[in-house]
Amino acid sequence: DAGVTQSPTHLIKTRGQQVTLRCSPKSGHDTVSWYQQALGQGPQFIFQYYEEEERQRGNFPDRFSGHQFPNYSSELNVNALLLGDSALYLCASSYPNQPQHFGDGTRLSIL
Amino acid sequence: GESVGLHLPTLSVQEGDNSIINCAYSNSASDYFIWYKQESGKGPQFIIDIRSNMDKRQGQRVTVLLNKTVKHLSLQIAATQPGDSAVYFCAENPNQAGTALIFGKGTTLSVSS
Repeated sequence: DAGVTQSPTHLIKTRGQQVTLRCSPKSGHDTVSWYQQALGQGPQFIFQYYEEEERQRGNFPDRFSGHQFPNYSSELNVNALLLGDSALYLCASSYPNQPQHFGDGTRLSIL
Repeated sequence: GESVGLHLPTLSVQEGDNSIINCAYSNSASDYFIWYKQESGKGPQFIIDIRSNMDKRQGQRVTVLLNKTVKHLSLQIAATQPGDSAVYFCAENPNQAGTALIFGKGTTLSVSS
């Protein structure tokens, strides 16, 4: 049973560019959450998707957007990249009211 | 405010010792708490969770204690092994288990043999 898978594992972009990160949830999980983890910090909640709708959003600007597909997979899009967007982006999936399980993340570096 | 158990950014123990990692949470309305272990280059790995209607829960070699009076959470690891070396995070959920997790400051556990 595959866990949460994320792609790509690493990505290098330049300021002003746009990026799309992808996540496949653990089999059967219908809820997907995205987190940003800066070096040496705990993950910070970006948003959560359930039934293809954004259910909850953290304190991130509109440059961060997402999507959930009918098969529960999800994308995170970031526009107009800033140097401060360099981080590990984590996807977590879960059943409702069950623990969130994380993928190994996408390491995004902005030059 | 100050919690009963101080948060330590690092904890060093000998193999076979018991480890106690402390965490102070911020929201008195939080009703669900989780501990995660994060190894270098990996995502957080679920260890154990506890709901606010409990004050103790045990897993395999791990125990979580919840003190709602002082908003304090602790993770006890019995017979610590080198493979337990990692960063440990506590997380709280103010709503229900499926929604946003608020992570605390991590504690780096180093186990020497």
